[in-house]
Amino acid sequence: EPEVTQTPSHQVTQMGQEVILRCVPISNHLYFYWYRQILGQKVEFLVSFYNNEISEKSEIFDDQFSVERPDGSNFTLKIRSTKLEDSAMYFCASTPFRRNTEAFFGQGTRLTVV
Amino acid sequence: DQQVKQNSPSLSVQEGRISILNCDYTNSMFDYFLWYKKYPAEGPTFLISISSIKDKNEDGRFTVFLNKSAKHLSLHIVPSQPGDSAVYFCAASARDTSGSRLTFGEGTQLTVNP
Repeated sequence: EPEVTQTPSHQVTQMGQEVILRCVPISNHLYFYWYRQILGQKVEFLVSFYNNEISEKSEIFDDQFSVERPDGSNFTLKIRSTKLEDSAMYFCASTPFRRNTEAFFGQGTRLTVV
Repeated sequence: DQQVKQNSPSLSVQEGRISILNCDYTNSMFDYFLWYKKYPAEGPTFLISISSIKDKNEDGRFTVFLNKSAKHLSLHIVPSQPGDSAVYFCAASARDTSGSRLTFGEGTQLTVNP
């Protein structure tokens, strides 16, 4: 069964460093997403991406965040200068359609900022 | 942001009995609802969904009920099995979004005892 894959599974970084989280969405899906879950809190939407541009972003997704689809398969989330409060599980997801469809999630990347 | 709320952080049931997980929402623009199951260190896994034009959707042991006037949905699992023990998230998407952005509830930890 097709699945969304994320790498790495765990990333430890120093505060102020840049990190790139990588995702390979399901191959025939057109819409891509990043969510995060801070320990003990809700899963929160960060950004959606379609046709090589951001289609929607939340208030969390400020200037320190960026997304890119550098080739036909990868979808990345970059955090330019990490803060302690960026420590969370980051989930990538993809959907085949724009609306009324389930999102398929990857297994997540645990980001720890020290 | 309390647009989707799961008021029970935990639920414990006996194997073979019914599990009922509840979810309330406030945003009247929500028109598609989903339930996800999540194990520790994994991403959310889609279970079942329902469109706002329906009031019930069934898939095997899982049934989702939607009461639009009360802005309430519930997930019924019958019969419950020990392998169903996980965190269950209710999620919703709104007709005014450009994609399938999901708003999640806090989650309910279901424990099914043998």
